[in-house]
Amino acid sequence: DSGVTQTPKHLITATGQRVTLRCSPRSGDLSVYWYQQSLDQGLQFLIQYYNGEERAKGNILERFSAQQFPDLHSELNLSSLELGDSALYFCASSVAEHSNYGYTFGSGTRLTVV
Amino acid sequence: AQSVTQLDSHVSVSEGTPVLLRCNYSSSYSPSLFWYVQHPNKGLQLLLKYTSAATLVKGINGFEAEFKKSETSFHLTKPSAHMSDAAEYFCVVSDQPGGFKTIFGAGTRLFVKA
Repeated sequence: DSGVTQTPKHLITATGQRVTLRCSPRSGDLSVYWYQQSLDQGLQFLIQYYNGEERAKGNILERFSAQQFPDLHSELNLSSLELGDSALYFCASSVAEHSNYGYTFGSGTRLTVV
Repeated sequence: AQSVTQLDSHVSVSEGTPVLLRCNYSSSYSPSLFWYVQHPNKGLQLLLKYTSAATLVKGINGFEAEFKKSETSFHLTKPSAHMSDAAEYFCVVSDQPGGFKTIFGAGTRLFVKA
């Protein structure tokens, strides 16, 4: 157990729907990062939050949004889902705002859009 | 701009033989470099990190990596492969200053034959 908790582990939903993925960072970590992993695109950085504030944005679609709450857990909202959104979504956390200390990853949420 | 290239998409070794996973990077500054391992259906786990201290870095499970600035390389090695080492390995570069970015390589799949 890495200390980063992601729920749910698996999610199957239909095109056009909206889902919410949840992440609780490791105790003491203030930064949360979201990544999408697919076979064709590899590991893509989506967004980072630090202590409740957005810090960096990667290849995140406008249909996707995220937030980090006062208790530091984070949610990734995916809407108007398309078949191509099927992927593994990872959350990672770190103590620092900047990424040169390494991350602790959760075990991911596997999203299947049918 | 920074980048990271993992030179082999697949590496196959026999159990008990050495492992070499190659990584070259490009960075305008003094980068932090990492190797992560991902076992099937699992999250990524930090193997080791280089952050401008000793150039030979020892990690978990007998892995080590050497930072060679002149060659812009950070190759991952292990003297003797074990079946449990079969996984995907990611080389990661994190640039600084002023806008920390973390770039993941495309990954190298390690196969270990009995």
